[in-house]
Amino acid sequence: GQQVMQIPQYQHVQEGEDFTTYCNSSTTLSNIQWYKQRPGGHPVFLIQLVKSGEVKKQKRLTFQFGEAKKNSSLHITATQTTDVGTYFCAGPDDYKLSFGAGTTVTVRA
Amino acid sequence: DTGVSQNPRHKITKRGQNVTFRCDPISEHNRLYWYRQTLGQGPEFLTYFQNEAQLEKSRLLSDRFSAERPKGSFSTLEIQRTEQGDSAMYLCASSLGGGHVDTQYFGPGTRLTVL
Repeated sequence: GQQVMQIPQYQHVQEGEDFTTYCNSSTTLSNIQWYKQRPGGHPVFLIQLVKSGEVKKQKRLTFQFGEAKKNSSLHITATQTTDVGTYFCAGPDDYKLSFGAGTTVTVRA
Repeated sequence: DTGVSQNPRHKITKRGQNVTFRCDPISEHNRLYWYRQTLGQGPEFLTYFQNEAQLEKSRLLSDRFSAERPKGSFSTLEIQRTEQGDSAMYLCASSLGGGHVDTQYFGPGTRLTVL
C-alpha cells in the first residue's frame, strides 16, 4: 500500500530561525494535505496542494508540491513559539488519508 | 461550535471491558472516518462511512471493533474486551464528499487508556 515518509522526525529550532520539513510518498499523489497538531490537540487542516510544482504560502509557511507529485515540503521562516507542534503530511489513498509520522517541532526562545 | 465533536474526551477502562465512543460530524458532511493515533505516530485509518454505509475497514480493525453510522449522521465505535494495546487516541473526521479533493476535518479525539 501507499507509504508516506516524513523527515526529520524532530526539529529543534532557535526562535527566529528557518527550517524545512520534507514529505515523500511511495506513489504518485493526486494531492497532498498538511495538518498541524498542537501538543495535546488534534490534527488541524492547514493546506492542500493539487498541481505539480504548486507553491502556496500562508504567512511564514511555504508549502511546495514536487513536480512528480511524489514529494512535498513545508518551509517555515522566522520560527515563533506558536509554531510548536507536529506537522503531518497526508496523501489520499482512495477516500482515506495516509499520514506520515510527522515532524515534531520545538522552539528555543 | 459547528465542528466535529467526540465524546467522551477521555476514557479509562480495565482490560476486558467494553467501551463505546461517539462522533458527531459537521452537519452537512456525508463522509465520516475513524482513525487511531498512538504516541509519535500519525493517524492510522480504521474505517470509513459514506452516509450510513460502511465502505472500508482497515485490517487494524479486529473482530473486537465495530462501528456504526445508523442514520448517516453520528457514528459510534465500540471496542469489546479491551486490551492494553488498544490504548490510543481515537480520532473521528468528516468530509463533504464529492470531487477528487476532499478535505477531512478532525474532531478533538477520545483518549482511551486500558489498565
